[in-house]
Amino acid sequence: AQSVTQPDIHITVSEGASLELRCNYSYGATPYLFWYVQSPGQGLQLLLKYFSGDTLVQGIKGFEAEFKRSQSSFNLRKPSVHWSDAAEYFCAVGAWGAGNMLTFGGGTRLMVKP
Amino acid sequence: EAQVTQNPRYLITVTGKKLTVTCSQNMNHEYMSWYRQDPGLGLRQIYYSMNVEVTDKGDVPEGYKVSRKEKRNFPLILESPSPNQTSLYFCASSFDGKANEKLFFGSGTQLSVL
Repeated sequence: AQSVTQPDIHITVSEGASLELRCNYSYGATPYLFWYVQSPGQGLQLLLKYFSGDTLVQGIKGFEAEFKRSQSSFNLRKPSVHWSDAAEYFCAVGAWGAGNMLTFGGGTRLMVKP
Repeated sequence: EAQVTQNPRYLITVTGKKLTVTCSQNMNHEYMSWYRQDPGLGLRQIYYSMNVEVTDKGDVPEGYKVSRKEKRNFPLILESPSPNQTSLYFCASSFDGKANEKLFFGSGTQLSVL
């Protein structure tokens, strides 16, 4: 079965600083990888996804993520964080199978200092 | 507007009192799913449905029931709630449940069982 680990429960960065959120996955085949963001009081919104091809994928709100097969990682990055980026971020892996389509990591809560 | 609608947004109840959380989507999606979100554990799937009258267990189905009598609706039923079911619940849907599809999430239901 697949699994996802987000090693950082909380991260605090200053506004304008760069950001990297870590995600490691375990899956026997080529995974489908996702990053979702959950703003306070909201449901989850898809930031970006990776299926195949270019290992650097661009998403919404200026985010990007890089798939590194050798490290089983799919880290999320943003060059300059805005205060509105404060939220909880979830990495997820999708695997072929009957309906249990996504396995989520435990989430990383991002706080942005002014 | 395409959306997944959950009700209620907040719910406080007592142990053993049956409750239903409703979920409705207006996108004609085949696939619907329920998740619970707990701190540090991310989202864990409770039940999912690939189509009308087709439901199956996710990772944490104990204490929950679902039904899918109509394509648009997928209610979550707690017949005898217990305090360990205090959690944030999300309904989600996608076109046909393939592992590479984007999930659309509702805004969540915060349930407290006293």
